[in-house]
Amino acid sequence: RKEVEQDPGPFNVPEGATVAFNCTYSNSASQSFFWYRQDCRKEPKLLMSVYSSGNEDGRFTAQLNRASQYISLLIRDSKLSDSATYLCVVNMGNTGNQFYFGTGTSLTVIP
Amino acid sequence: DVKVTQSSRYLVKRTGEKVFLECVQDMDHENMFWYRQDPGLGLRLIYFSYDVKMKEKGDIPEGYSVSREKKERFSLILESASTNQTSMYLCASSPGDWNGYTFGSGTRLTVV
Repeated sequence: RKEVEQDPGPFNVPEGATVAFNCTYSNSASQSFFWYRQDCRKEPKLLMSVYSSGNEDGRFTAQLNRASQYISLLIRDSKLSDSATYLCVVNMGNTGNQFYFGTGTSLTVIP
Repeated sequence: DVKVTQSSRYLVKRTGEKVFLECVQDMDHENMFWYRQDPGLGLRLIYFSYDVKMKEKGDIPEGYSVSREKKERFSLILESASTNQTSMYLCASSPGDWNGYTFGSGTRLTVV
C-alpha cells in the first residue's frame, strides 16, 4: 500500500463549480499535512497546510479526518486559473522532516 | 521568501556521462531533499540531508549519490547516466519544524 494515495482524476469541471479532492494516508502517526499545487512543467508550490480543526483560505477549504486517515480539499466557485495538479503531502512523523507525496489529482476548469 | 535555485532548467546528457545537478537555498534551512518526478509515479525521494556532510538514502537511491559540503548547497550526482534516469529532478529545502517544503524550479534531464 502506498503511503499517500490520491485519485488521479482528471476532474473536468465548469467554471463556478465546486470540486473536492480526497487523499488517504497509511501512517496513523503522521504529524502534518499539506496541499500543494503544481502547474504544468513547473515546481510544486504550497497551497495550504491542513490543520486538525480544518482551515479555509478564500475559496479553498482543507480538512483532516484522523480517524479515517484522510485529508480533503474543497474548491468553491472554480476559476480557469485553478486548473492544475493538486498534490497531497504528508509528514510521516517517523524520521523528522521527510514528506510523502501523492501522485496528484489533475483538475481542469472549463469555460 | 525562501529561494531554492537549481543550476539548470534543461539538460541533455549522453549515456555513461557523470552528471552533476546543483541546488542552492538562501534561507539557512537545515533540511534539503532531492526528488525525481515521473508521470504516473509522482515524486519519489532519492536522497536527503539534515546537516552539512550528512546524507540519508531515500526510496530510490540506486544510481545516485549526493554531496553537502556547505549548508546552502546540496548536489545530486549521477555517476554514470542511464536512459532510465531521464526525468524531472526537483530539489527542496525546509526548516526543521514541520512547515513543508520549498521547491526549486526543477531540472528536466534527458539522457540519450
